[in-house]
Amino acid sequence: GAGVSQSPSNKVTEKGKDVELRCDPISGHTALYWYRQSLGQGLEFLIYFQGNSAPDKSGLPSDRFSAERTGGSVSTLTIQRTQQEDSAVYLCASSLGQRDAYFGPGTRLTVL
Amino acid sequence: GQQVMQIPQYQHVQEGEDFTTYCNSSTTLSNIQWYKQRPGGHPVFLIQLVKSGEVKKQKRLTFQFGEAKKNSSLHITATQTTDVGTYFCAGPIIQGAQKLVFGQGTRLTINP
Repeated sequence: GAGVSQSPSNKVTEKGKDVELRCDPISGHTALYWYRQSLGQGLEFLIYFQGNSAPDKSGLPSDRFSAERTGGSVSTLTIQRTQQEDSAVYLCASSLGQRDAYFGPGTRLTVL
Repeated sequence: GQQVMQIPQYQHVQEGEDFTTYCNSSTTLSNIQWYKQRPGGHPVFLIQLVKSGEVKKQKRLTFQFGEAKKNSSLHITATQTTDVGTYFCAGPIIQGAQKLVFGQGTRLTINP
């Protein structure tokens, strides 16, 4: 595809349920980032994948959050036992190394 | 912790006034990037600066990279309502792995 895609675009879930958010980066981009953005706030770094290196998970807020990147391409962010404070827009971005990053449209997660 | 700081966090101006946002890093950066996020949208890459003291212009936007490559600024001349949004700077920083680290952003609102 021409850009980074994310699915679903919107997700409404009940507290305590698990959710999976998907990111399809630009083909060939070695780096992939996940960020979280609450309304009117900045970008909260969650996790970073670079090539075959171990992911940088330093931004994950709790052990309920995990992410994987299969085959160096598609990534899935999983949130277990969702809480209301998890409600936010989850943004994925990809880049070639530390060059300019291309963001996807985001997944808006609402936990009721 | 956060090593790329942006000020101000918010800025409200009258249409036609100038606007400047500043970005500071605690370490020397190999490059600095600027992004714009329109309300309801996702961050979009604007420009990258690489050289010490570099100045680049995009129409009414002027980007500067400091001589020490630790700070940068974005100046908008004669703001228009289309300039509304949040402006982020980002630089490659070693936080665990070397990755692109974003500032907190400056949210610009404009009174028409």
